[in-house]
Amino acid sequence: QSVLMQPPSVSGAPGQRVTISCTGSSSNIGANYDVHWYQQLPGTAPKLLIYGNNNRPSGVPDRFSGSKSGTSASLAITGLQSEDEADYYCQSYDSSLSGIWVFGGGTKLTVL
Amino acid sequence: QIALKESGPTLVKPTQTLTLTCTFSEFSLSTSGVGVGWIRQPPGEALEWLAVIFWNGDKRYSPSLKSRLTITKDTSKNQVVLIMTNMDPVDTATYYCAHRGPIYPGTFDIWGRGAMVSVSS
Repeated sequence: QSVLMQPPSVSGAPGQRVTISCTGSSSNIGANYDVHWYQQLPGTAPKLLIYGNNNRPSGVPDRFSGSKSGTSASLAITGLQSEDEADYYCQSYDSSLSGIWVFGGGTKLTVL
Repeated sequence: QIALKESGPTLVKPTQTLTLTCTFSEFSLSTSGVGVGWIRQPPGEALEWLAVIFWNGDKRYSPSLKSRLTITKDTSKNQVVLIMTNMDPVDTATYYCAHRGPIYPGTFDIWGRGAMVSVSS
């Protein structure tokens, strides 16, 4: 079981807005460690999508945004497109056990 | 443009030792703030962080696998090696190496394409 909890799946129609949650605890997100998000298209390696809770690397469309509050974070995707169909993972740092990097269990986004 | 590539055996037998090599380009593991990590993904499952090594030699391991993992770097060859002992079928996964740099702190910002490793007798 992953340290960071994500819903297994979400779906939305083209043009709609969807959100993906990432729930942690007081030793990771709640300890003020940054949350990052990755997009993994089918059969490919993960790609950095959001860093530092709400920042986009160059080249990532502004349809993707992140937020964080308390022990949770969220990824929002607006204007949903078919090419957004992918798995999405959150990632943070956990201060327990001498410090480790942790990923969420992943969320499969289906564009209807 | 930063690039990483994993290499190693595609099939290992249970109890054997796996050695994976990450060969990278366009960055140096002697530059302050830079690191290389290993992450794996069993078929159809989530990502799991395994280990990371930093420019200053600092190493961190996943607590659940720490006794089985060793990560080393060869700065002159631009390589990072991950050794995992006592392989088991549950270790069947795609193994990725990834760059950690100062531009996007805390992230694995560039990933290799991954190396699929199957564990079977």
